[in-house]
Amino acid sequence: KAGVTQTPRYLIKTRGQQVTLSCSPISGHRSVSWYQQTPGQGLQFLFEYFSETQRNKGNFPGRFSGRQFSNSRSEMNVSTLELGDSALYLCASTETGTGVEKLFFGSGTQLSVL
Amino acid sequence: AQSVAQPEDQVNVAEGNPLTVKCTYSVSGNPYLFWYVQYPNRGLQFLLKYITGDNLVKGSYGFEAEFNKSQTSFHLKKPSALVSDSALYFCAVRDMFGSGTYKYIFGTGTRLKVLA
Repeated sequence: KAGVTQTPRYLIKTRGQQVTLSCSPISGHRSVSWYQQTPGQGLQFLFEYFSETQRNKGNFPGRFSGRQFSNSRSEMNVSTLELGDSALYLCASTETGTGVEKLFFGSGTQLSVL
Repeated sequence: AQSVAQPEDQVNVAEGNPLTVKCTYSVSGNPYLFWYVQYPNRGLQFLLKYITGDNLVKGSYGFEAEFNKSQTSFHLKKPSALVSDSALYFCAVRDMFGSGTYKYIFGTGTRLKVLA
């Protein structure tokens, strides 16, 4: 099976712009979660989707949003970018989303906001 | 709320020596604990997990972790370090919501450097 695929791999944007990141989970996986990784902060949970429904959301402003499609692919959107949004954005998938399975991570999208 | 702490930003160890990467947790109820490793320019890879059962958990690449309830710790260990083990290691705990849904809380990471 193909692994979790995230596109694009790198993005450079300027303040005020918006950006959309894409994540294709492993085939058959229905749960997709998103994390923001910054040096010193570790991974911060953004949100989790299961069967097209957002089940949980982390403590991020409303500028961060996401969705999941019927084929389990997910997108996250960040509007009105700020310098502090520069980070590695990781998505992860699991088969049943029960919380006892291991997460399968993509390689991430490195976002730089100038 | 659940949390994990990784008290060391970096651990240096000589190749062939045993290594330990520390993790402590704070949870209500039974903890579900995980270790992941991140190599440069890659996403995280699962190493091992503790759900219940034996306190010594064996995982990928020769790693193991010891769950210690009295010390609320879940340290990652390997008897003999390899240079290729050099990477960023994350401890994580599952945090359940009242709705029955969950999220994972990750530590800030520990950079392991194995010296030849």
